Amino acid sequence: DAKTTQPNSMESNEEEPVHLPCNHSTISGTDYIHWYRQLPSQGPEYVIHGLTSNVNNRMASLAIAEDRKSSTLILHRATLRDAAVYYCILRLATGSARQLTFGSGTQLTVLP
Amino acid sequence: DVKVTQSSRYLVKRTGEKVFLECVQDMDHENMFWYRQDPGLGLRLIYFSYDVKMKEKGDIPEGYSVSREKKERFSLILESASTNQTSMYLCASSFLGRVSTEAFFGQGTRLTVV
Repeated sequence: DAKTTQPNSMESNEEEPVHLPCNHSTISGTDYIHWYRQLPSQGPEYVIHGLTSNVNNRMASLAIAEDRKSSTLILHRATLRDAAVYYCILRLATGSARQLTFGSGTQLTVLP
Repeated sequence: DVKVTQSSRYLVKRTGEKVFLECVQDMDHENMFWYRQDPGLGLRLIYFSYDVKMKEKGDIPEGYSVSREKKERFSLILESASTNQTSMYLCASSFLGRVSTEAFFGQGTRLTVV
């Protein structure tokens, strides 16, 4: 199964953009890249996903490298409520397609 | 509003007890998942199910079993609880075969085994 690598922690100042990186060098051609986040004392929640093209939604943007071996979650203006653990995961399109496997994620701290 | 509901937010059980953790979803999802989350270890998949009466082992199934008698309900069973099963347990659900769509999580059950 393809794995992802993320920094353990990152800091950002409030109202500044945040770029959260993820490496997935063994990604398969049809694997989707998903991002989830987990706020304190809550279950994870979906943020965004993509396959090849960059994606935007009301929460964030996802920039995917041309070779798809890395991606970046972009929070355009971090708020204190964005402090959470951010997980980058691959939804396998073949084989164990039903599994949803998480790594250890990046703990984002937002400073006022 | 979509919902994944776990029966208890906090639970305290004694060593050796049989423990049932219940999860119900109202989105007609085929897939359901059970995870445990421990500090420094992230979320680890215990079991998942893609249909009624179907189950597959995740990464850490030892000491656990599951039951899926109805599509909306997925139960995690600790046959004989031990202190090393003290953890946060999270349930999730998603559509089958649609890897591009999101999964929804419950709020979690914090289980303490004493």
